[in-house]
Amino acid sequence: QQQVKQSPQSLIVQKGGISIINCAYENTAFDYFPWYQQFPGKGPALLIAIRPDVSEKKEGRFTISFNKSAKQFSLHIMDSQPGDSATYFCAASHGGGSQGNLIFGKGTKLSVKP
Amino acid sequence: DSGVTQTPKHLITATGQRVTLRCSPRSGDLSVYWYQQSLDQGLQFLIQYYNGEERAKGNILERFSAQQFPDLHSELNLSSLELGDSALYFCASSFGPKDTQYFGPGTRLTVL
Repeated sequence: QQQVKQSPQSLIVQKGGISIINCAYENTAFDYFPWYQQFPGKGPALLIAIRPDVSEKKEGRFTISFNKSAKQFSLHIMDSQPGDSATYFCAASHGGGSQGNLIFGKGTKLSVKP
Repeated sequence: DSGVTQTPKHLITATGQRVTLRCSPRSGDLSVYWYQQSLDQGLQFLIQYYNGEERAKGNILERFSAQQFPDLHSELNLSSLELGDSALYFCASSFGPKDTQYFGPGTRLTVL
């Protein structure tokens, strides 16, 4: 059972455009929602993260929007650049006990065309 | 560079063999996580250790085992390897179980 569903699977955006990636989760115990960026041949790197006590978090060109009632969250990349071309993963974890393992979405391959 | 190191970078072996993957966490981090990344299954959590103790298990096969040593480095042992075990194996570390996880560069395992 996939606990975090991510869409779209791939995305092509023109330089300067807005990239939007969506995720939905099922487990209401999740309380930490990070986004990771992965370039070919590299490990995932944390991009931005949010906890459910806020509805939006912005860091530079990257914004997470969070809708607790709909159990959905999304990543917006403003002014997308060719250097943003990578695979993006949403993830979730719950803070119960001492576990912190991440449940990942399937990933979105973003291509930004110059 | 995340500060997490993994060796080896590439590993090619045959079915039925056993291999050991090594991970050194970032300085000061007490938690280590192992993840498997494959094309069909995506990034899947395998196992978590905190300060030498196993804390959580995910989709880890019985043929796989791991441990975290007193110096906090961790090893993932894969035995009786099958073709389907070919994947990227990532180690991540964090200070505590609920802190940001930093991923290593991964070990690419190819089973022939």
